[in-house]
Amino acid sequence: EAGVAQSPRYKIIEKRQSVAFWCNPISGHATLYWYQQILGQGPKLLIQFQNNGVVDDSQLPKDRFSAERLKGVDSTLKIQPAKLEDSAVYLCASSFGILYGYTFGSGTRLTVV
Amino acid sequence: GENVEQHPSTLSVQEGDSAVIKCTYSDSASNYFPWYKQELGKRPQLIIDIRSNVGEKKDQRIAVTLNKTAKHFSLHITETQPEDSAVYFCAAINNAGNMLTFGGGTRLMVKP
Repeated sequence: EAGVAQSPRYKIIEKRQSVAFWCNPISGHATLYWYQQILGQGPKLLIQFQNNGVVDDSQLPKDRFSAERLKGVDSTLKIQPAKLEDSAVYLCASSFGILYGYTFGSGTRLTVV
Repeated sequence: GENVEQHPSTLSVQEGDSAVIKCTYSDSASNYFPWYKQELGKRPQLIIDIRSNVGEKKDQRIAVTLNKTAKHFSLHITETQPEDSAVYFCAAINNAGNMLTFGGGTRLMVKP
């Protein structure tokens, strides 16, 4: 089966600029997650979608981060404006059901300078 | 919410030795505990998982044990090989049963 697709793989921006990441989950996976992984740390959940609805966004910094999942398939995560501390790998994951585990995408490595 | 602690943060072993990574969790209602392996620059990949209705699960050289009373679970890798070198993450399901909380990771280095 095809995996979780993410783009771009790398992005370098200046602070205060905006950036967007894209994710295409595995076909049939209703649940989609965005995680932030800072170097040397475990993934931290930002937002979870079930189909096109938000299940949990309690850890999403809503003053600068936004995400959507139109039509319950692809998803985009946006940061505007970016801060230096946003430098991290942004991982998208999808799941058929939580007890089957996640499948992660390759991630987008964001560097804010 | 769920809190997952993982130890040690780094672990160095000789090829052929065993490696053990331990995690504790806070929510007694958690019932699913996966382990992920992340090689440098790559995505985390599920290597083994355990559900709360069993105490141990094995898959070739890796095994996971779960102690629900103590709220801890461990990953055991036997006969380690250089290709086992990676960062390993434990995770636990949250109390709503719909997402995973990850530990901080263990960098395992297997020296030839």
